[in-house]
Amino acid sequence: GENVEQHPSTLSVQEGDSAVIKCTYSDSASNYFPWYKQELGKGPQLIIDIRSNVGEKKDQRIAVTLNKTAKHFSLHITETQPEDSAVYFCCRGSNYKLTFGKGTLLTVNP
Amino acid sequence: EAGVAQSPRYKIIEKRQSVAFWCNPISGHATLYWYQQILGQGPKLLIQFQNNGVVDDSQLPKDRFSAERLKGVDSTLKIQPAKLEDSAVYLCASSSQGFNQPQHFGDGTRLSIL
Repeated sequence: GENVEQHPSTLSVQEGDSAVIKCTYSDSASNYFPWYKQELGKGPQLIIDIRSNVGEKKDQRIAVTLNKTAKHFSLHITETQPEDSAVYFCCRGSNYKLTFGKGTLLTVNP
Repeated sequence: EAGVAQSPRYKIIEKRQSVAFWCNPISGHATLYWYQQILGQGPKLLIQFQNNGVVDDSQLPKDRFSAERLKGVDSTLKIQPAKLEDSAVYLCASSSQGFNQPQHFGDGTRLSIL
């Protein structure tokens, strides 16, 4: 179906460590995979996205990988900082429609 | 550029009352979305507009929810009558026209039903 499974639901790391969030989907029509960061009381903010014709994309400390054969994709944050603490959502999209995962609460401890 | 604007930020009503939310998208964005985000979950699409036409309203509870986007710019989402389970944050997003364009979100309206 259109669902996307996201793990883990909570993640706690020490400042400077790396954080990895993984998502899986089942709909072969999915061709767009954005990631959103949501801080308390704010709307989701797009941090990076990847399309199905690309396997990896990097933007400074953030990277995403996509394995379309296995239908899973991941977010990697390196050198984490306290301001990275937030809820992160993976999404799958096809045509115009986005489906969100349930989110990962990332806590970066100073 | 200015982001997506939503109002009000908070609303508290009693069940069976009506409520309306307003959204002003990013200038020039043809596509507008309304999402419902229940506490602890990801946003769920309610309705999507392309200019002033509805593209997808398959998950909109049409017996109580309605939305319009007159003139293809601002949009309003209405709930009448409200139920306890409608307590959520209502998010508006907009994007440029075309497939899989990045969606930009407003900060939402937090609705509490008593």
